[in-house]
Amino acid sequence: EAQVTQNPRYLITVTGKKLTVTCSQNMNHEYMSWYRQDPGLGLRQIYYSMNVEVTDKGDVPEGYKVSRKEKRNFPLILESPSPNQTSLYFCASRRRGPHEKLFFGSGTQLSVL
Amino acid sequence: EDQVTQSPEALRLQEGESSSLNCSYTVSGLRGLFWYRQDPGKGPEFLFTLYSAGEEKEKERLKATLTKKESFLHITAPKPEDSATYLCAVQNDYKLSFGAGTTVTVRA
Repeated sequence: EAQVTQNPRYLITVTGKKLTVTCSQNMNHEYMSWYRQDPGLGLRQIYYSMNVEVTDKGDVPEGYKVSRKEKRNFPLILESPSPNQTSLYFCASRRRGPHEKLFFGSGTQLSVL
Repeated sequence: EDQVTQSPEALRLQEGESSSLNCSYTVSGLRGLFWYRQDPGKGPEFLFTLYSAGEEKEKERLKATLTKKESFLHITAPKPEDSATYLCAVQNDYKLSFGAGTTVTVRA
């Protein structure tokens, strides 16, 4: 089954404790992206990757890091989480062209205390 | 800067009561306008892509239309299973921008 898999589904942590949210897709997609979703603000892009070893900032990259060492994986790293990073996070992937539809993971609900 | 505004924020319908959702947008060089459906606790799922003004697409009780400034998602004779948040997004050459969504609740 074609899918984007995120882990963990829920995460509660404390300020300053480094964490990683994993994302993997099995569709051989070139493009992968991370979004955060906050009430009333919609989905905002954090980082995206056009292909292996190619990443770029989205609209809200501060406080986040990503890497794309393999085509299928695109982890999101929070080096020193803060409470304003409490949010619902989604990983997504698609084929190369901008007209292609995105496939989303099920989301990671992160709470930073 | 690209902007996407969806209205209303929330819509409560009786089963069978048809209605429309609006997505107004400004974008430099539209490559596509997307509609997604999002159920509680899940990631958005793709519904439609529209590319040019005048285009229409249908899927079951949903019909999406596009003009140069806005898109409408028409829900005909909705059922409770159509309850969800509907997201609109516009794509230019390098970026996809989402609206905040319209949450639709259909009562039996």
